[in-house]
Amino acid sequence: KNEVEQSPQNLTAQEGEFITINCSYSVGISALHWLQQHPGGGIVSLFMLSSGKKKHGRLIATINIQEKHSSLHITASHPRDSAVYICAVRVNNDMRFGAGTRLTVKP
Amino acid sequence: DSGVTQTPKHLITATGQRVTLRCSPRSGDLSVYWYQQSLDQGLQFLIQYYNGEERAKGNILERFSAQQFPDLHSELNLSSLELGDSALYFCASSPRGSSGDEQFFGPGTRLTVL
Repeated sequence: KNEVEQSPQNLTAQEGEFITINCSYSVGISALHWLQQHPGGGIVSLFMLSSGKKKHGRLIATINIQEKHSSLHITASHPRDSAVYICAVRVNNDMRFGAGTRLTVKP
Repeated sequence: DSGVTQTPKHLITATGQRVTLRCSPRSGDLSVYWYQQSLDQGLQFLIQYYNGEERAKGNILERFSAQQFPDLHSELNLSSLELGDSALYFCASSPRGSSGDEQFFGPGTRLTVL
């Protein structure tokens, strides 16, 4: 079993829908990162969380340290949100990655 | 644009060869991280440097080595290349290299080993 599990693996949505991507981890962490990888391959850091909730525009990320779970929400989804979303956890000085969630938003 | 630069963008080489990938961090960032993304293994952490010193090691093979220079740029050296080394190699930088830092990723170097 992977230390970082993401669900779903693939997600297709219609433009405007509310989207949730989940990440569960089984190790003690010092921080959790949500990353976005576009089809061209570039990676953008969306959030770094150690507790609570953060919001940037239409994106919201939450983390529950006790339950070892984080969620990434996208409100009013748009085709430009189509990308792979990757959850990563910082374990001491190491970083462990989920397999990613491929999101496709159709117009 | 994250402010992190990587060269070259693409590299095609043969098995057994040696290559060097280069990374320049964002201005002011002292820490550099190297990651490998392959189709079968996903993203993996290789190694981290902070202000010229190795800080953390992940799944880095013995055939691979890295260093961070006084001007803070970093190089990842891959030797005795195998087909399985074909991957995207990302560099990221952060201000202090601590767990509380956000990391900023470069555009990556796509390595193809034939």
